[in-house]
Amino acid sequence: EAGVVQSPRYKIIEKKQPVAFWCNPISGHNTLYWYLQNLGQGPELLIRYENEEAVDDSQLPKDRFSAERLKGVDSTLKIQPAELGDSAVYLCASSLQVNTEAFFGQGTRLTVV
Amino acid sequence: GENVEQHPSTLSVQEGDSAVIKCTYSDSASNYFPWYKQELGKGPQLIIDIRSNVGEKKDQRIAVTLNKTAKHFSLHITETQPEDSAVYFCAALMEYGNKLVFGAGTILRVKS
Repeated sequence: EAGVVQSPRYKIIEKKQPVAFWCNPISGHNTLYWYLQNLGQGPELLIRYENEEAVDDSQLPKDRFSAERLKGVDSTLKIQPAELGDSAVYLCASSLQVNTEAFFGQGTRLTVV
Repeated sequence: GENVEQHPSTLSVQEGDSAVIKCTYSDSASNYFPWYKQELGKGPQLIIDIRSNVGEKKDQRIAVTLNKTAKHFSLHITETQPEDSAVYFCAALMEYGNKLVFGAGTILRVKS
């Protein structure tokens, strides 16, 4: 069975440009997470979905970040406009329920120049 | 606020020796504590987890201990091998918001 799939793996954009990341969770997993991982640090939660509902987006910078999970399966995370400080790895994870094992994708490494 | 502190930040051991990584958490209501291993260019992978109703859990060369009174938990790797070299993250599930909070990570190097 395929794990969590993310694309693209790498993205380089100029500041002020928009960028989008895509995540396909493990089939049957109701909970989906987007995490931000800066170099040398642990993942930090940006948003958590239960099916198609965003139940925790308190750490999502809503002035430039947006996310959606249509039909409760795939999800996209968008940044518009991107800033230099947004350079990081964006990780997607999924789990059957919120307090069960979370499986991570390989992440998208974003570089803003 | 919600916080997980992890020590040490880097750890070098000789192949065959044991490695211990320690974490403390702030939310006394936390009840789920996973440990993740992250290799270069990959996402974190769960290696072991423990819930608050037990004090220790073991899986082959890996064990985790939990002290709820002191609010700390530890990862123990015995008979380390070069392929154990990676970054290890502890995490705690905070009761408020069911939010998983990660430590800053430990770079483990196993020298052969």
